[in-house]
Amino acid sequence: GAGVSQSPSNKVTEKGKDVELRCDPISGHTALYWYRQSLGQGLEFLIYFQGNSAPDKSGLPSDRFSAERTGGSVSTLTIQRTQQEDSAVYLCASSFGRFQETQYFGPGTRLLVL
Amino acid sequence: GESVGLHLPTLSVQEGDNSIINCAYSNSASDYFIWYKQESGKGPQFIIDIRSNMDKRQGQRVTVLLNKTVKHLSLQIAATQPGDSAVYFCAENISHGNKLVFGAGTILRVKS
Repeated sequence: GAGVSQSPSNKVTEKGKDVELRCDPISGHTALYWYRQSLGQGLEFLIYFQGNSAPDKSGLPSDRFSAERTGGSVSTLTIQRTQQEDSAVYLCASSFGRFQETQYFGPGTRLLVL
Repeated sequence: GESVGLHLPTLSVQEGDNSIINCAYSNSASDYFIWYKQESGKGPQFIIDIRSNMDKRQGQRVTVLLNKTVKHLSLQIAATQPGDSAVYFCAENISHGNKLVFGAGTILRVKS
């Protein structure tokens, strides 16, 4: 079975542009998570989806960040008017959605804002 | 488990030796813990987990120990191999939530 996939694997953009990052979770996983990892640092939680709803958006750093999930599957993280401090690896994870269980991560999208 | 920036602690071990990676967690309400391994350019890979009703759990070549009294978690890797070289993260889950809170990570370097 396929794992979590993310696209693009790398993205270079200019300051001020909008970017969209995509995550395809493991089939059958109802829970989906976005995290951000800055260079040499641990992972920072951004948002959690259960199905298509997001009960926890507490980690989104500003209103330039938004995410949606459709059909209980694919999710898109959008960053508007990108800033240099947005440069990081954006990681997606999924799980079956039961309480407290293993989250399986994708390979990440490496975003560089020039 | 806040990030300490670019200077992650590093553990260097000789191939074949046992490794012990430590993690201090901050929230006494956390009751589920996971260790992840992250190789360069890849996403974190699940190694082993433990719930707070246990103090030890064993997997293949790995053992996780949990000491709730001092809020300490450790990962023991037996007979460390070059392929074990990576950054290791502990993560905690708080009982009323689903998100994971990650520690800063430890670099494990295995010398042949």
